[in-house]
Amino acid sequence: EVQLVESGGGLVQPGRSLRLSCSASGFTFGDHAMSWVRQAPGKGLEWLGFIRNRDYRGTPEYAASVKGRFSILRDESKSVAYLQMDSLKSDDTAVYYCTRGDNTSWSTIFDYWGQGIVVTVSS
Amino acid sequence: QSALTQPASVSGSPGQSITISCTGTRSDIGGYSYVSWYQQHPGKAPKLIIHDVRNRPSGVSNRFSGSKSGNTASLTISGLQAEDEAHYHCASYSYATGSSPSVVFGGGTKLTVL
Repeated sequence: EVQLVESGGGLVQPGRSLRLSCSASGFTFGDHAMSWVRQAPGKGLEWLGFIRNRDYRGTPEYAASVKGRFSILRDESKSVAYLQMDSLKSDDTAVYYCTRGDNTSWSTIFDYWGQGIVVTVSS
Repeated sequence: QSALTQPASVSGSPGQSITISCTGTRSDIGGYSYVSWYQQHPGKAPKLIIHDVRNRPSGVSNRFSGSKSGNTASLTISGLQAEDEAHYHCASYSYATGSSPSVVFGGGTKLTVL
């Protein structure tokens, strides 16, 4: 059974950093891209970016809205994907989802999702 | 404001069919066949129900179908059931000259089963 479990969320002050983790199981982690999507309170979904699988050297892509502040990494040995968030703003307050992508060069399918984790940016 | 435009809400009675539209541009829906749809029940994570415009993942009911015409994608749910009441989100690959590729979502549509 495919499982994605996010951790590392919580309350953080504006300007600070936070790193979310996504622990994956039930599939061959290295075969899949991993993406991050967020949902602000009462709002729609927002794609943040993804990191390619090993066939594509694990290179990342980012949404323009977070490029330069957010980084996506992966640890193949632990089957974990990370979302490093720096210079956080109140607008970053949202539920953050880790999702599994496909094995193409540009992952546009999110076929499994984690349960989501809340990040609140407030002083 | 979301990149793709969806109606805020739609409704239908059990057994009826409804269609949710998702309108974009030539740089996203109109230019590529990478449209997907997600169902989200309250307090839950989204679930993939359609990918690549019209393909259903294994396990998804054949009451769900997707299509595309020009810059607009559509999700049709036939034989409405109470369990279909949820939010539905569309998404598409997006790439316009001068910008970086991305994935864009619609604002979501609340389906109410009367």
